[in-house]
Amino acid sequence: DADVTQTPRNRITKTGKRIMLECSQTKGHDRMYWYRQDPGLGLRLIYYSFDVKDINKGEISDGYSVSRQAQAKFSLSLESAIPNQTALYFCATSGAPREGQPQHFGDGTRLSIL
Amino acid sequence: GIQVEQSPPDLILQEGANSTLRCNFSDSVNNLQWFHQNPWGQLINLFYIPSGTKQNGRLSATTVATERYSLLYISSSQTTDSGVYFCAVFPVGAQKLVFGQGTRLTINP
Repeated sequence: DADVTQTPRNRITKTGKRIMLECSQTKGHDRMYWYRQDPGLGLRLIYYSFDVKDINKGEISDGYSVSRQAQAKFSLSLESAIPNQTALYFCATSGAPREGQPQHFGDGTRLSIL
Repeated sequence: GIQVEQSPPDLILQEGANSTLRCNFSDSVNNLQWFHQNPWGQLINLFYIPSGTKQNGRLSATTVATERYSLLYISSSQTTDSGVYFCAVFPVGAQKLVFGQGTRLTINP
């Protein structure tokens, strides 16, 4: 979805480095999410945020942190990257589910940690 | 938590064939979405379909919420339909989408 932009699209880095993945959206949604996808598997939720002051852990938050700098921006950080964090990372946005709003995904960031 | 099961896990067809992909879920949901993940990894929204039937060109989807399943139909398959198809549900009272494991579709010329 072109309204959800992830940067960078690809990143190769070394074990122990700090990495930040950024996500911005122009859809005006309050809710933003970070997911991780490992090869051959579905997506798993890392963190989610319902507004600037509301940030929640997902099912696999260990080793990650997030920052919601504004309604439109939600960044994911790996404080000290390790090889098993090599994965495809997706950012998503949505309105509230009861309003009938689907989730919209960015194009993903392919992260490789050597 | 809710279980989301997709079948079949893999499907190989010739160009021009029709296919049906199934998604079963174990609890009530507010939302259901179908996605196509292309070979470049992009997730393409196909349908937002918590109930009822929708059609978009060669693709259509039906969700029977009371029986907790959804079907994705692909007619006259093309090689560009290849990829992984994911079903994702938003359980009632939950705060996140839950994804199935996907169906890998391969369309041979």
